[in-house]
Amino acid sequence: QKEVEQNSGPLSVPEGAIASLNCTYSDRGSQSFFWYRQYSGKSPELIMSIYSNGDKEDGRFTAQLNKASQYVSLLIRDSQPSDSATYLCAVSPLWGGSQGNLIFGKGTKLSVKP
Amino acid sequence: GAVVSQHPSRVICKSGTSVKIECRSLDFQATTMFWYRQFPKQSLMLMATSNEGSKATYEQGVEKDKFLINHASLTLSTLTVTSAHPEDSSFYICSASETGRHEQYFGPGTRLTVT
Repeated sequence: QKEVEQNSGPLSVPEGAIASLNCTYSDRGSQSFFWYRQYSGKSPELIMSIYSNGDKEDGRFTAQLNKASQYVSLLIRDSQPSDSATYLCAVSPLWGGSQGNLIFGKGTKLSVKP
Repeated sequence: GAVVSQHPSRVICKSGTSVKIECRSLDFQATTMFWYRQFPKQSLMLMATSNEGSKATYEQGVEKDKFLINHASLTLSTLTVTSAHPEDSSFYICSASETGRHEQYFGPGTRLTVT
């Protein structure tokens, strides 16, 4: 059973702080990793994709991947109240994730306090 | 770019009736579209993968005769929930990948309530 594990939270951080979201996965053959943001009652929105070990930065977001440890994380710098949402980690065994094999974690709820 | 729409956004129907949900990629062509279901406080669960011009591939435990999927063009896939029952009430979300690209983009979702 391929699994993606996330701490359900809630993770509470003050405005302006760094929020750190973590995800582990069981399938060592996983190739593609995605972070989605989902506001309550809404559908997921793609934030980041990462395919190789190391860091990938996009604005206030940094994704980190360590395939040896089967670990992927998302850092949000200068957190804003508008970042308050559930963050879903998704993993695919296929490069790109476009084949429908995305396996989602249950998500971590982030709350940014003003 | 990469906008996916769904219609309707919300539907209430009586038990035993059928409901059709449309998923459209507005500014790109999508060879593959995906249908997910999400129950409250649960993770997204893939129901089926829809390929343009061919039969959909259903995940284990998803009844293909109950959830009919048609992907007639590169921009449109439909999901029909046949003989809906209250336990089918859920948030149905489609996603699409632009041909040749890797990321999946989600539609806004359809909230189905079966009474």
